[in-house]
Amino acid sequence: DAGITQSPRHKVTETGTPVTLRCHQTENHRYMYWYRQDPGHGLRLIHYSYGVKDTDKGEVSDGYSVSRSKTEDFLLTLESATSSQTSVYFCAISELGYEQYFGPGTRLTVT
Amino acid sequence: DQQVKQNSPSLSVQEGRISILNCDYTNSMFDYFLWYKKYPAEGPTFLISISSIKDKNEDGRFTVFLNKSAKHLSLHIVPSQPGDSAVYFCAARVDSSYKLIFGSGTRLLVRP
Repeated sequence: DAGITQSPRHKVTETGTPVTLRCHQTENHRYMYWYRQDPGHGLRLIHYSYGVKDTDKGEVSDGYSVSRSKTEDFLLTLESATSSQTSVYFCAISELGYEQYFGPGTRLTVT
Repeated sequence: DQQVKQNSPSLSVQEGRISILNCDYTNSMFDYFLWYKKYPAEGPTFLISISSIKDKNEDGRFTVFLNKSAKHLSLHIVPSQPGDSAVYFCAARVDSSYKLIFGSGTRLLVRP
């Protein structure tokens, strides 16, 4: 299994508060991704990174920002959490950009 | 506008029989297709993939078929086992990009 960890694994926060989720890899893979999974929608890409300090938006990027200052870490920040951002968040990594390997997920609840 | 569609939200099969999961796509620029399996409270795990230049790829009990003219992808599991019960996602990559587009998933239940 690819070495990917996510922290925290579970979080409950209040509307309007900032939240940062962390993804850490030990595989030295170039590409890193953040997805959210919601019933009926499958996995939707939020942001992705193709190298240190190189990031781009996915299909559902509004309300989210990311940063990648080191190869191994990719942070997802919700600047001001809303109830619509209650979801399960998955980080993924890839060496070549298509076969992606996923972390265990973070369940975020915004009350 | 869903470019990758899994029209069956669920499928139930008897242990030992064949499971066939289907996926349709609309973008002719997809060049690589993948299937992922997901158990509850875990991340998706990569199962099998196929390039758009092929029409079949096999790995043990799992076979993926690609029909480009119909823009249709299927995953066959033979024989099905109770441990195969999970949600299956198909995914596709737009030619030379770094991104995948996922379907909404099909929940497979294999009955003992």
